[in-house]
Formats: sequence, C-alpha cells, structure tokens
Amino acid sequence: AQSVTQLDSHVSVSEGTPVLLRCNYSSSYSPSLFWYVQHPNKGLQLLLKYTSAATLVKGINGFEAEFKKSETSFHLTKPSAHMSDAAEYFCVVSEGGGADGLTFGKGTHLIIQP
Amino acid sequence: DTAVSQTPKYLVTQMGNDKSIKCEQNLGHDTMYWYKQDSKKFLKIMFSYNNKELIINETVPNRFSPKSPDKAHLNLHINSLELGDSAVYFCASSQSPSSYNSPLHFGNGTRLTVT
Repeated sequence: AQSVTQLDSHVSVSEGTPVLLRCNYSSSYSPSLFWYVQHPNKGLQLLLKYTSAATLVKGINGFEAEFKKSETSFHLTKPSAHMSDAAEYFCVVSEGGGADGLTFGKGTHLIIQP
Repeated sequence: DTAVSQTPKYLVTQMGNDKSIKCEQNLGHDTMYWYKQDSKKFLKIMFSYNNKELIINETVPNRFSPKSPDKAHLNLHINSLELGDSAVYFCASSQSPSSYNSPLHFGNGTRLTVT
C-alpha cells in the first residue's frame, strides 16, 4: 500500500525568499511522484513529475523537487517566491495501475507575504 | 485554447433536483475522469473512462451516472441531489489510463451547491 504525507498544511514565506514544501511517501514499489498546483477557483496543474530517471526534477515556474529514496521524501523547492506562487500544492504518489492507483496528499496552502 | 473545459462553472440547485455537468477535452487523450474535491480540498476519484469504456467506478452512490458519448467528452449526471453532494467536481484527462507516467490535465471545476 502507498501513502503520501504533506507535512505542513500551511506555509507562509515572504516574497523573494525560498520556498520549501515537504512531502514524504511510503510505497512497496518504485513509485512515480508528482507535484500539482491549484490556484484559487482553478483546476490542478502539473508542476513536475519523477518517474525513476534523474532524482532532481525541474518543473515549471522555477520549481524543482528532489527524490530521496533513503528519506522517502520528495520535497518541492523554489529559490525565490513570487506573489503569483500563492496557491494550494498537492504531492501525489503512484505505484502504477489506473487513477485508482494515485494517492493525493492533503495539500499545502502556500501564502506569500509582500 | 482551453484543453479541458467543463460547464457550468457554478451550479446552485435545490435538494431533490437532477443536474448535469459537461466536460470536453481537445488534447486527443484516451482517458477521462471525474474527481470530487470536498471543502477540505481532499480529492477523490469517482469515475474513469478509457476510449468511452468505464474502467474505474469508485464507491459512489448510483445517483451519479457518467456518460461518455465519445472519447473527447465525459458528462456527469446526478439524480436526486442531496446536501452532501455540495463540492467542487473536476473533470480531468490523461494520455493513457496508467497513473504511473501519464499526468492528469484538469478542468477548472464546477462548484455545486445544494440548498
């Protein structure tokens, strides 16, 4: 069985400072991992994905995430936050199969202070 | 150039009514989905269709009936609406039904409010 834990329900940073959104997973297999972003009143948009290639994955809008098997983590980072980054972020794990094989985290609400 | 579009964006209705939500994707994807997002932002898969065939049907009341006239469309009809059906419903599509390497593309959601 797989699971995903987003360690913070809310993260608040100042504009121009680094962002760190934490995600830990558990999986019996080699999972694929995704980060999605949801802006207010919008659907989820893929930020980046890891599927057993390079462990450091670069995504859109300057985000990146590093797959660390030893720590079972897939934390999302960005060097410098922008006001437009304010949104809900979801970490998702898949062991394969169909959409019923996807497990979504509960989300982290990112707040950007001016 | 909206990739996954769903209508209506907002739907306010009374208990007991029947309503439909429509979804269309122009990405050429084979697989489409309906998800429900509750007030705590938790996302739950409801249905999945691959090439018009139902492949996932989670534990959802049979008042909910999806219909896929072709692989670019997946509509959701809800009978006898209840207060607990209030949520945001998202349509999504992906290139294949495999969740391992086929990211989801979401519509902007339909906010359903049952009064």
